[in-house]
Amino acid sequence: DVKVTQSSRYLVKRTGEKVFLECVQDMDHENMFWYRQDPGLGLRLIYFSYDVKMKEKGDIPEGYSVSREKKERFSLILESASTNQTSMYLCASSFSRGLEQYFGPGTRLTVT
Amino acid sequence: GENVEQHPSTLSVQEGDSAVIKCTYSDSASNYFPWYKQELGKRPQLIIDIRSNVGEKKDQRIAVTLNKTAKHFSLHITETQPEDSAVYFCAAPNSGSARQLTFGSGTQLTVLP
Repeated sequence: DVKVTQSSRYLVKRTGEKVFLECVQDMDHENMFWYRQDPGLGLRLIYFSYDVKMKEKGDIPEGYSVSREKKERFSLILESASTNQTSMYLCASSFSRGLEQYFGPGTRLTVT
Repeated sequence: GENVEQHPSTLSVQEGDSAVIKCTYSDSASNYFPWYKQELGKRPQLIIDIRSNVGEKKDQRIAVTLNKTAKHFSLHITETQPEDSAVYFCAAPNSGSARQLTFGSGTQLTVLP
């Protein structure tokens, strides 16, 4: 059974703080993704990675960066959190040539 | 990249009735169309998908139809039950990268008892 875990379910941070969200998958998937979920906007891709140390920008990368030092772990970094980054963040993974994505439980981030 | 539009944004049906959610896509080369279900407080999960070499696929009470000419695909749920209440997302491959999916904006389905 595929398992994708995220470091926190709920997180509250202050404006200007550096925020790390971590995602780990145990299925040896090559691809990993970070999405942001907001009501009425669906799932918007922030960044994705198809291999260790590789990353590509998604549709809304501004204000975010990522790190993939190990195959199983993909981190999303908010260098200086702002209130408009308050959202639900979902991590997902998939096999190299597979299109089915397996999602983590999500992190509800509130920036005050 | 791909553009996916999903309608309606909210849908309420009586238990036992059918529900239909529709999506359109822009890239005629897209060949894979999944549907994800997200129950309240839970992660999205794949419930059914269809590839462009077939026009319809069924799995018990759910079915997906694809019209390649019109570039739209639909999710059909028959004999709806309260546990079908959830947000449903359609998706299509991003034309710029086959590894990515572009998701629709989601449909909140409520099944009324």
